[in-house]
Amino acid sequence: GDSVTQMEGPVTLSEEAFLTINCTYTATGYPSLFWYVQYPGEGLQLLLKATKADDKGSNKGFEATYRKETTSFHLEKGSVQVSDSAVYFCALSDNNNNDMRFGAGTRLTVKP
Amino acid sequence: NAGVTQTPKFRVLKTGQSMTLLCAQDMNHEYMYWYRQDPGMGLRLIHYSVGEGTTAKGEVPDGYNVSRLKKQNFLLGLESAAPSQTSVYFCASTDWREGTGELFFGEGSRLTVL
Repeated sequence: GDSVTQMEGPVTLSEEAFLTINCTYTATGYPSLFWYVQYPGEGLQLLLKATKADDKGSNKGFEATYRKETTSFHLEKGSVQVSDSAVYFCALSDNNNNDMRFGAGTRLTVKP
Repeated sequence: NAGVTQTPKFRVLKTGQSMTLLCAQDMNHEYMYWYRQDPGMGLRLIHYSVGEGTTAKGEVPDGYNVSRLKKQNFLLGLESAAPSQTSVYFCASTDWREGTGELFFGEGSRLTVL
């Protein structure tokens, strides 16, 4: 079945460092891809999404590009802030099955 | 905007006790889901519903039951709690007809089974 594999954490960076969190997927169809973020003590919330190949999702300085040839959707940010400390989940949705599959999550800690 | 609301937020049970988690959404979404979140395992789907009066099993349904008597509510029940059910439970809703099915999550319910 469809699945998502993302970079294991935890990841610790200094403020203003460059961030990459890798995500690859396996799918039989043409899924939509998502990054969700979970701040401490809260539920998940959508960070960005891409619905077809070569689309780039962006929000709050984060970006991810839907790469069909490498089945990847890596999350990047050029300069992280302490407030970006959270757990990040890569996910895919199979529109045929109305199902959402999540990666294991990557905990990011940004130190001042 | 309330969005998705879960109650209770915290609960401690003894092995063998029963309880129900309530999820309520005010977005008129057809689809509702219950996930559990465990360290290193991400979110795993327990049960879901594609509309009022319907339920279906997800990835890890054993030990749980659900009901969707009203469109806005999705209940998750544990008939006989076990320590393995200690987890954080998240409810989510969406409407796939609106597009790609972005999920809207509640804040979570932390359950400890002793």
